[in-house]
Amino acid sequence: AQSVTQLDSHVSVSEGTPVLLRCNYSSSYSPSLFWYVQHPNKGLQLLLKYTSAATLVKGINGFEAEFKKSETSFHLTKPSAHMSDAAEYFCVVIPLSFGNEKLTFGTGTRLTIIP
Amino acid sequence: DAGVTQSPTHLIKTRGQHVTLRCSPISGHKSVSWYQQVLGQGPQFIFQYYEKEERGRGNFPDRFSARQFPNYSSELNVNALLLGDSALYLCASSTSRQEGITEAFFGQGTRLTVV
Repeated sequence: AQSVTQLDSHVSVSEGTPVLLRCNYSSSYSPSLFWYVQHPNKGLQLLLKYTSAATLVKGINGFEAEFKKSETSFHLTKPSAHMSDAAEYFCVVIPLSFGNEKLTFGTGTRLTIIP
Repeated sequence: DAGVTQSPTHLIKTRGQHVTLRCSPISGHKSVSWYQQVLGQGPQFIFQYYEKEERGRGNFPDRFSARQFPNYSSELNVNALLLGDSALYLCASSTSRQEGITEAFFGQGTRLTVV
């Protein structure tokens, strides 16, 4: 069984300040972990992914995340928020097993950027 | 190269009717998955198909069915529509590897409204 918990349903930050979106996971297998972003009325876009290589993962648009097995966490960060970062963010877990491609999504974190 | 394409983009149906949603994966991708995203929630896994075979099924009633064609495109069918089926239906395509999925690409989705 696998699951993810996004600890904040809403996060508001001022433009130019750091962003932290928190995610904890639970998985019976060695997991792959992803962060996706969804802008209003748009599909899902992959921000970054962890697949058992480097624990610090860099993604698009200045986002990065660190896989911490001891804390079962995969928090998403960005040093300086931009207005265009306002969106819904989803933490996703899947097992590292061939043929099993069920993505389990968190409930999402809505990021608001204050001008 | 075209991304994942879904049709139609929007659809309005009446309770009790039947609906068919279509998805064309990225060229070369043999795996297609379907997700339901109810407003304000994260996507929920419905089905996964690989090489025309069902590989996974989520916790959805038998009114939901799907299939994959020889060209790897896929259809999602929903019978006897209920108001609660109103949602954004997302299709994802991916490449299956021995080490598991490396990335899932999503289409823009089909917005289904049941009235």
